[in-house]
Amino acid sequence: NAGVTQTPKFQVLKTGQSMTLQCAQDMNHEYMSWYRQDPGMGLRLIHYSVGAGITDQGEVPNGYNVSRSTTEDFPLRLLSAAPSQTSVYFCASSYSPGPQPQHFGDGTRLSIL
Amino acid sequence: GENVEQHPSTLSVQEGDSAVIKCTYSDSASNYFPWYKQELGKGPQLIIDIRSNVGEKKDQRIAVTLNKTAKHFSLHITETQPEDSAVYFCAANTGGFKTIFGAGTRLFVKA
Repeated sequence: NAGVTQTPKFQVLKTGQSMTLQCAQDMNHEYMSWYRQDPGMGLRLIHYSVGAGITDQGEVPNGYNVSRSTTEDFPLRLLSAAPSQTSVYFCASSYSPGPQPQHFGDGTRLSIL
Repeated sequence: GENVEQHPSTLSVQEGDSAVIKCTYSDSASNYFPWYKQELGKGPQLIIDIRSNVGEKKDQRIAVTLNKTAKHFSLHITETQPEDSAVYFCAANTGGFKTIFGAGTRLFVKA
């Protein structure tokens, strides 16, 4: 079982560039989410999805875009990268929406110069 | 909105001692409280969780207690070992689609 797979593991971008962080899960989970982790701030929710075709905003959605065309995949797009988006990004999934344990990927470390 | 405060931010204990991490939450509607352990270079991993209809839950050396009246919950690790060294996050969920995390506690267990 691969669980939640994130690619790439590391990325360096220049300000203004765009890119897509990939996330895939093989557990047939309905709920998927994206968090960013910054020192001293824990994990903050960017966007989430409760099923294919359904997405919604979390706490810090500005500058990010998501879509969910299949149950397995939930990519996160940075539209125009800014230095403030330098962070570690985690994708997570759970069997159903609501109060359930989440399974996390190993993260993408992103630096914006 | 919901807020979760976690302390201490850093905790250093001697191997074999106990470690306690405390969290408080603001939304009285919160009903699910997971704890995650994050090792270096890895994603958080669930180690224990508790729901609001339970006051305490134990799993080997790990226990969690919940005080709904005071709106706080705690993680207790007994007989700590060097492999317990990691960052620990508490979190709260109100039953909706959003889980709010604490800022994390870095635990050092000295051999």
